[in-house]
Amino acid sequence: EAGVVQSPRYKIIEKKQPVAFWCNPISGHNTLYWYRQNLGQGPELLIRYENEEAVDDSQLPKDRFSAERLKGVDSTLKIQPAELGDSAVYLCASSFPGSETQYFGPGTRLLVL
Amino acid sequence: AQKVTQAQTEISVVEKEDVTLDCVYETRDTTYYLFWYKQPPSGELVFLIRRNSFDEQNEISGRYSWNFQKSTSSFNFTITASQVVDSAVYFCALSEPFSGGYNKLIFGAGTRLAVHP
Repeated sequence: EAGVVQSPRYKIIEKKQPVAFWCNPISGHNTLYWYRQNLGQGPELLIRYENEEAVDDSQLPKDRFSAERLKGVDSTLKIQPAELGDSAVYLCASSFPGSETQYFGPGTRLLVL
Repeated sequence: AQKVTQAQTEISVVEKEDVTLDCVYETRDTTYYLFWYKQPPSGELVFLIRRNSFDEQNEISGRYSWNFQKSTSSFNFTITASQVVDSAVYFCALSEPFSGGYNKLIFGAGTRLAVHP
């Protein structure tokens, strides 16, 4: 069974540029999460989707970050404009309905110069 | 507030040594889940184990074992006869319920384990 797929794996951009990350969850997982992991720290939740609905986006910096999951499968996380402090690894995870266990993708490592 | 503390930032051992990674958590909830994830250099978080708050039985899986003690709010992870492939960052996490029945993972800062040949 394929795991969570993310692309790109690495991205280097200059500050003030836009950037987007894509995630394809495990088949059948209707819950999808985006996390940000700063260097030397554990992941922190940005947003959680149940199907197409964002059920927890309280940690998403809405002035520059946006996310969508239009058909309840793939998801895109966007930053516009990027700032130096956005350099981090962006992880996507998914889980079965009602399950506590989240399965993570390989992440996108973002470097903002 | 819910919190997970992994006091060991880095541990270095020689192959075949046993090593224990500590995890202490704080929660006001009586129902919760605890997890361990492994993050190798490739970056992907690999799920290792999930424990619910009502099950204090220790668990062993090959060279891995977990000791859950509610009395001390700890969920420690032991690797027996460590191998170089065990080198990774290990995260302990707590799942807290909040309104609507959805759960959020709270991660510790991680422990970097280096196993040397």
